[in-house]
Amino acid sequence: RKEVEQDPGPFNVPEGATVAFNCTYSNSASQSFFWYRQDCRKEPKLLMSVYSSGNEDGRFTAQLNRASQYISLLIRDSKLSDSATYLCVVGDMRFGAGTRLTVKP
Amino acid sequence: GAVVSQHPSRVICKSGTSVKIECRSLDFQATTMFWYRQFPKQSLMLMATSNEGSKATYEQGVEKDKFLINHASLTLSTLTVTSAHPEDSSFYICSALGTGVHGYTFGSGTRLTVV
Repeated sequence: RKEVEQDPGPFNVPEGATVAFNCTYSNSASQSFFWYRQDCRKEPKLLMSVYSSGNEDGRFTAQLNRASQYISLLIRDSKLSDSATYLCVVGDMRFGAGTRLTVKP
Repeated sequence: GAVVSQHPSRVICKSGTSVKIECRSLDFQATTMFWYRQFPKQSLMLMATSNEGSKATYEQGVEKDKFLINHASLTLSTLTVTSAHPEDSSFYICSALGTGVHGYTFGSGTRLTVV
């Protein structure tokens, strides 16, 4: 089993849609969790950290479920500019394979 | 915000030559540097982790004699791909963790092509 696994995608959604990604992890001792966004041929950029209590930043909501060992990212009211690959990071810089999102007009 | 400057952004080299990639933290001290490789349409694969002043810790399957990592100061880490082969062609990217900086800061990546 991979250390970090993500929904394979790709996700193709219309503008305004709500979309959610999950990321499961195998190391129950993991303490840090992040979501990164990577545009084509660019470096990943931090989107948001994931806290135990869940956190929200505008249209983005991140949640952590320690019992089931997964984190999630919810994007509401999708914009064309949200099109990217979303990577989860667990613990010591273990990246998921990424989920590609395409938002269409 | 925190910035990591990575150079070169793109390099083409001949088989058998060595290529050095630099990552500099510009406005913070990078206590830990991570080096990744990413093949097209694949995720970032961690190659090694280095702490300033210590030897790098390599991931399983990564040849430490081929991918030389130096982290001699809190603002500079280098990755040298020695005796490069076409299969080493990839996108190499560094990421730094430092004091007072939230999350990990990535360099802009180096696209290496070995011909």
